[in-house]
Amino acid sequence: QLQLQESGPGLVKPSETLSLTCTVSGGSIRSSSYYWGWIRQPPGKGLEWIGSIYYSGNTYDNPSLKSRVTISVDTSKNQFSLKLRSVTAADTAVYYCARQSNWLLAPNWFAPWGQGTLVTVSS
Amino acid sequence: DIQMTQSPSTLSASVGDRVTITCRASQSITNWLAWYQQKPGKAPKLLIYKASSLESGVPSRFSGSGSGTEFTLTISSLQPDDFATYYCQQYNSYSPFTFGPGTKVDIK
Repeated sequence: QLQLQESGPGLVKPSETLSLTCTVSGGSIRSSSYYWGWIRQPPGKGLEWIGSIYYSGNTYDNPSLKSRVTISVDTSKNQFSLKLRSVTAADTAVYYCARQSNWLLAPNWFAPWGQGTLVTVSS
Repeated sequence: DIQMTQSPSTLSASVGDRVTITCRASQSITNWLAWYQQKPGKAPKLLIYKASSLESGVPSRFSGSGSGTEFTLTISSLQPDDFATYYCQQYNSYSPFTFGPGTKVDIK
């Protein structure tokens, strides 16, 4: 059964870079059938897609984050990672990683999801 | 970007009720729509994809319908485990993936 697990610091200072890693177990990240995505949820609010990556390194990201995002993949470790630069309090959220279906050669729905990790931006 | 809206934002219902949640897209997304269930402190769980395809393992009381800009999620007979927040998500090509604001289903 595929599982995803987020890891990284739970506290980041304003203006610094948020870095998270998602470790995939029970399946290979090198599958042509999937992309791998990051989604976040501010406390008490809705879901926002951050970006997605294919095992080859091809990425899609959300223009609303104004190019602050870098998503990378390490197939040797079965991991993919998120870096979000110049964070502010508005970036405080639970960050989820998820597998994203590559049906018809485009990223689609997300399943399954990791349990999520809360990242707080505060000095 | 394609904007998603959901109605109602909150729905109070009883066990056994038939429940319908509506999701609307700001432009046509054909049937590129998914539905998720989220319980407090937990990650979202996929229920429906391609507007009406039931994810494996999801009870058959959940169903999805619609195309274009208007979609519905129906729970045919609400069970205690179904009290949660439900989100729709569009995955139309060449547009950022966006989620609806959510519909909370609580106990009447």
